[in-house]
Amino acid sequence: QTVVTQEPSFSVSPGGTVTLTCGLSSGSVSTSYYPSWYQQTPGQAPRTLIYSTNTRSSGVPDRFSGSILGNKAALTITGAQADDESDYYCMLYMDSRISVFGGGTKLTVL
Amino acid sequence: QVQLQESGPGLVKPSETLSLTCAVSGYSISSGYYWGWIRQPPGKGLEWIGSMYYSGTTYYNPSLKSRVTISVDTSKNQFSLKLSSVTAADTAVYYCARSLDAFHIWGQGTMVTVSS
Repeated sequence: QTVVTQEPSFSVSPGGTVTLTCGLSSGSVSTSYYPSWYQQTPGQAPRTLIYSTNTRSSGVPDRFSGSILGNKAALTITGAQADDESDYYCMLYMDSRISVFGGGTKLTVL
Repeated sequence: QVQLQESGPGLVKPSETLSLTCAVSGYSISSGYYWGWIRQPPGKGLEWIGSMYYSGTTYYNPSLKSRVTISVDTSKNQFSLKLSSVTAADTAVYYCARSLDAFHIWGQGTMVTVSS
C-alpha cells in the first residue's frame, strides 16, 4: 500500500520561512493527486489550508502557499508566527478516490 | 453556513459495531459533494475511513473495507458510519467531513472508546 510521507517534525524561527513536504513511498506527487494541506491544533478539528495543490481556502492568510517541489507537494509558510505552531497534514487522492493522509508534521515556532 | 455534527455512543465494547451519525445543516446532502469519515487515534495522525458520493457510491479505505459501511438518510439529511468487530485499535476521535477536491468542511469530532 502506498505511504504518504511527511517530516515528523520541523522548527522555524518567528518571522522565518519553512517548507514542509509531502511525498510518496513510491513515485512522485503531481497535481493529479490534488494535494491538500490541513492545520490542526490540540483538541481541535483540522482546518483546511490548501487544496488542489496551491489554492488557499477562504480566510487562510497568504503567508501559506502550496506548490509542487521536485517530486513532492510542498507547504510553505512565509513569515511564521507563534500561532502557526501546529500539526500539519497533507492528503493525496489516489486511484478510485482513495484518500491517504500523511503522518503529519509537528511544527514548532521558536 | 454548512455545518456537520457527529453523534453516537462514546463507549463501544470489543467485537461490537460502532455506529455514528453525521447531521448536516445548511446544505442538502442529495444536492452534491462527497461525504466522508476520518478518524484520529489519541496522539496519532489522521486516517481516512471512507467517503460516499451524494448519489450513493461509496469508497472505503482498503485496510478497513471489510468492516466499514457508510450510508445516507436523505430524509434526515444525515449520513452514517458503521464499523464492525471493533477492537481497542479503533479507539479514536471520529470526524465527518464534506469533500470534493479536499475535505473542506469538518465536524467537531466525537471521541469513541472501545473497552469492556
